[in-house]
Amino acid sequence: AQSVAQPEDQVNVAEGNPLTVKCTYSVSGNPYLFWYVQYPNRGLQFLLKYITGDNLVKGSYGFEAEFNKSQTSFHLKKPSALVSDSALYFCAVRDEGSARQLTFGSGTQLTVLP
Amino acid sequence: DAGVTQSPTHLIKTRGQQVTLRCSPKSGHDTVSWYQQALGQGPQFIFQYYEEEERQRGNFPDRFSGHQFPNYSSELNVNALLLGDSALYLCASSSGLPRGTQYFGPGTRLLVL
Repeated sequence: AQSVAQPEDQVNVAEGNPLTVKCTYSVSGNPYLFWYVQYPNRGLQFLLKYITGDNLVKGSYGFEAEFNKSQTSFHLKKPSALVSDSALYFCAVRDEGSARQLTFGSGTQLTVLP
Repeated sequence: DAGVTQSPTHLIKTRGQQVTLRCSPKSGHDTVSWYQQALGQGPQFIFQYYEEEERQRGNFPDRFSGHQFPNYSSELNVNALLLGDSALYLCASSSGLPRGTQYFGPGTRLLVL
């Protein structure tokens, strides 16, 4: 079985400050990890993924994420937040060996304050 | 290059009715997955189609069924609608699984009264 936890329902950060959105996962095999963003009344937009290799993954719009195998975490980060980054963020996992489906976390609402 | 498209954008049905939702994948993609996103929750996997066959299914009843056509487009059918089926239904397309990325459409908002 595979699962994802996003421990924070809401994250608030001031514009220009660094942001972190947390994600931990559980899979039986090697994980494929993803971050998506959802704006109001819209579908999910792909930000970045970790498949293998470098633990620091860079994605769209200046976002990056760090894969930590020992802590089973894949936190999303950005050095300097923008008001336009305010949205709902989802972490997702797929087990390399067995799963075709993505399993999503419950989401974290990010609000960047001007 | 068009992304994933879904139709209709919104739909209102009454309990007991049947509904069909449609999805066209991103160009070059051959796999379609369907997800249900209830209000305030993350998307839940319904099933995935590849080569016109259902390849994996999530924890959804048989009222949920699907189809994939030779051009890779897909339909999601839901019979005997319940109030709890009200949700955003998302289609995602991909290629080269398991490493391939799933790209999502804008979704169909279904309201069951």
